[in-house]
Amino acid sequence: NAGVMQNPRHLVRRRGQEARLRCSPMKGHSHVYWYRQLPEEGLKFMVYLQKENIIDESGMPKERFSAEFPKEGPSILRIQQVVRGDSAAYFCASSPITGVPRTDTQYFGPGTRLTVL
Amino acid sequence: AQTVTQSQPEMSVQEAETVTLSCTYDTSESDYYLFWYKQPPSRQMILVIRQEAYKQQNATENRFSVNFQKAAKSFSLKISDSQLGDAAMYFCACELAFGKGTKLTVNP
Repeated sequence: NAGVMQNPRHLVRRRGQEARLRCSPMKGHSHVYWYRQLPEEGLKFMVYLQKENIIDESGMPKERFSAEFPKEGPSILRIQQVVRGDSAAYFCASSPITGVPRTDTQYFGPGTRLTVL
Repeated sequence: AQTVTQSQPEMSVQEAETVTLSCTYDTSESDYYLFWYKQPPSRQMILVIRQEAYKQQNATENRFSVNFQKAAKSFSLKISDSQLGDAAMYFCACELAFGKGTKLTVNP
């Protein structure tokens, strides 16, 4: 059973460009979480999604950031018009359908390191 | 909303010794879950241990155990017989809220 997959592992963008980060959850997992980790910081929750639904986006910046988890295919975190402050590691995690999603064990992907020049 | 505080930015331990990492949290929920995750230099987050708040018994996973004090909102991690492979960042989490982490160094 493959783990959570994220790609690309490293992404370099210039200011003003768009960044698209992809996450494929573990097989059988229906919930996806996105986190951002700044240098020397812990993970900051951004959003969690079920297939075709955003369940909680309380940690998502109001502008430029969006996330989706379509019926088919990976979850996408999209950052429009990137700025230098968006440089960070972005981690995706998934969890199975076993009760309240926020309480399930999350299985993390290896992360995408975004660098904005 | 939950908040998590890890007051020790760095800790070190001698190989084969025991070390305890501190964590306190705040939540308005009566039932919740707590986690310790390990992030080695490869940066892949790995679950170490999970505790359900309504269970009074402290969770244990091989050399890893927790001291869960619900009234004090404290959730410390004890690593026994420390090994070189235990060196990593350790993050405490209360559901979706993570602390800033403790960097553990294991000295041979």
